[in-house]
Amino acid sequence: AQSVTQPDIHITVSEGASLELRCNYSYGATPYLFWYVQSPGQGLQLLLKYFSGDTLVQGIKGFEAEFKRSQSSFNLRKPSVHWSDAAEYFCAVGPISSGSARQLTFGSGTQLTVLP
Amino acid sequence: DTGVSQDPRHKITKRGQNVTFRCDPISEHNRLYWYRQTLGQGPEFLTYFQNEAQLEKSRLLSDRFSAERPKGSFSTLEIQRTEQGDSAMYLCASSLIIEGLAGKYNEQFFGPGTRLTVL
Repeated sequence: AQSVTQPDIHITVSEGASLELRCNYSYGATPYLFWYVQSPGQGLQLLLKYFSGDTLVQGIKGFEAEFKRSQSSFNLRKPSVHWSDAAEYFCAVGPISSGSARQLTFGSGTQLTVLP
Repeated sequence: DTGVSQDPRHKITKRGQNVTFRCDPISEHNRLYWYRQTLGQGPEFLTYFQNEAQLEKSRLLSDRFSAERPKGSFSTLEIQRTEQGDSAMYLCASSLIIEGLAGKYNEQFFGPGTRLTVL
């Protein structure tokens, strides 16, 4: 069964500092990977995705993530955090298959606090 | 706005009552998913449809939960005889299947969710 682990429940950074949110997955085949962001009381917005090809993927709002197969990781990074980045971040994994693609499995999330 | 919409955004009900939520997906998307999200957790998959066919429903939490997508467009999620443990955010997502180099995959777009509170 596939699973996603986000080891950090809560991270606090100062505005302008760099950010890295960790994500580790367990999946028996080649996964496809996502990062979503959720503001309080809102739905999820897709930041970026990895399907294949270049292991460093660029997303919206200046975020990027790197897929490392050997470490089963897909960490999210941003070089300089803005106060508006404060939110909850979810990593998700889904299957690539020759048949029907199905649901995503999400991690439990990392809450990001940005200090002024 | 052509995103996924959900109605209502908030629902407060008393234990034992039935509730129904609606999801309108992005119009050209053939897949529709329902997830539940409890406080401090990531979304948990419940069920999904391809067009009007419900292809996976074993993850629905109990037989009190049911979902429909009668014409392959909007979908409804009903919870009968609500319990306090049903309090959560119910999220809907829609997607298209994309054929990529490594196989088929889908990119899911989420609605704003319906926050259910059972008193």
